[in-house]
Amino acid sequence: GAGVSQSPRYKVAKRGQDVALRCDPISGHVSLFWYQQALGQGPEFLTYFQNEAQLDKSGLPSDRFFAERPEGSVSTLKIQRTQQEDSAVYLCASSKRSTGVVDTGELFFGEGSRLTVL
Amino acid sequence: GDSVTQMEGPVTLSEEAFLTINCTYTATGYPSLFWYVQYPGEGLQLLLKATKADDKGSNKGFEATYRKETTSFHLEKGSVQVSDSAVYFCARTGGSQGNLIFGKGTKLSVKP
Repeated sequence: GAGVSQSPRYKVAKRGQDVALRCDPISGHVSLFWYQQALGQGPEFLTYFQNEAQLDKSGLPSDRFFAERPEGSVSTLKIQRTQQEDSAVYLCASSKRSTGVVDTGELFFGEGSRLTVL
Repeated sequence: GDSVTQMEGPVTLSEEAFLTINCTYTATGYPSLFWYVQYPGEGLQLLLKATKADDKGSNKGFEATYRKETTSFHLEKGSVQVSDSAVYFCARTGGSQGNLIFGKGTKLSVKP
């Protein structure tokens, strides 16, 4: 597609519900990143995929967070048993470079999915 | 660990004023440095970048120079416009896969 697409744009969940956030990266982009952006803060790294392989999940805050990219294109971030502290904007970004942005690569961001947990 | 510190906002300027947004980074490794911008209702987009010491990134009238001696990458523009109103994020590469580490962002409002 023309850009990184994320859905839903807005999600309201009751505490304890499971949510799934979808990211459709730019076609052909090898690298895919998920970030969490709390209100008034910068994005914080959650996890990284190279094609279908999840190479780094060190930023996932707990085992309630799970991400997958089974066919190396669309990715889903799942949050189980949501808590109020999970309220944030979840950003997806993709890059055509196989090594993320180690060199001079640019990340292309989606508009984000804003999650509010009541 | 690796981090980026940028000046807190919000910053409010009149049109045609000079802009500086300060950014410093932790000096671990040899990071690439970036400024991303987020316009209202839009996703983050790359504004400019620099990959090694003394490089100057520039775009849309904005400039930033990679200063290794002061571990800084300050964003400047000589004459801001209302359309420059946005949130600006400084970032560096970091981590094993080269993911980006962002500052907290600085909101800029330009008044006509």
